[in-house]
Amino acid sequence: DQQVKQNSPSLSVQEGRISILNCDYTNSMFDYFLWYKKYPAEGPTFLISISSIKDKNEDGRFTVFLNKSAKHLSLHIVPSQPGDSAVYFCAAGKKSSGDKLTFGTGTRLAVRP
Amino acid sequence: KAGVTQTPRYLIKTRGQQVTLSCSPISGHRSVSWYQQTPGQGLQFLFEYFSETQRNKGNFPGRFSGRQFSNSRSEMNVSTLELGDSALYLCASSQAELIYSYEQYFGPGTRLTVT
Repeated sequence: DQQVKQNSPSLSVQEGRISILNCDYTNSMFDYFLWYKKYPAEGPTFLISISSIKDKNEDGRFTVFLNKSAKHLSLHIVPSQPGDSAVYFCAAGKKSSGDKLTFGTGTRLAVRP
Repeated sequence: KAGVTQTPRYLIKTRGQQVTLSCSPISGHRSVSWYQQTPGQGLQFLFEYFSETQRNKGNFPGRFSGRQFSNSRSEMNVSTLELGDSALYLCASSQAELIYSYEQYFGPGTRLTVT
């Protein structure tokens, strides 16, 4: 049972435009959400997170939006740069209970120069 | 400060063999988690160790086991390898003290191929 889903395996965006990566979850108990970025031959690196008490968190070019009623979160990258080309994983957990993270299957983003 | 290191980086084994992977966390980090990454499944949580004790466990068969040493270094063992065990195995460390932490730092992974 895939509790965290990234339905788009890949996304291609022109440099300078907005990249929107989507993630859906099924477990309403999740209260903390994260995005990780992974380059080939490297481990994932933490990008940005959001708690369920918020609906938006911004860090430079990266913004994460959380829609609890729809059980949906998205990552916006504006403006997109070629160096953003990587695989992006969303993850969710019940931080209040110290439970493990559940990851999505990843979306490969390609930013075209 | 050195990052999380994993050895070996690449490994080829045949079905039925067993394998041991190693992970050295960031200095001062006492929690080590292991994940399996496959193309269709994303990152699947295997287990987490803290102070030499398994604190969290994912839904993997008993062929997958691990341990942690007093210096926080961790090993993961897979016995009786199957073709489906071919994957990238990632280790992550954190400073988590009381509960599992989401602020994790990942190593580069060990690419295991089972033939």
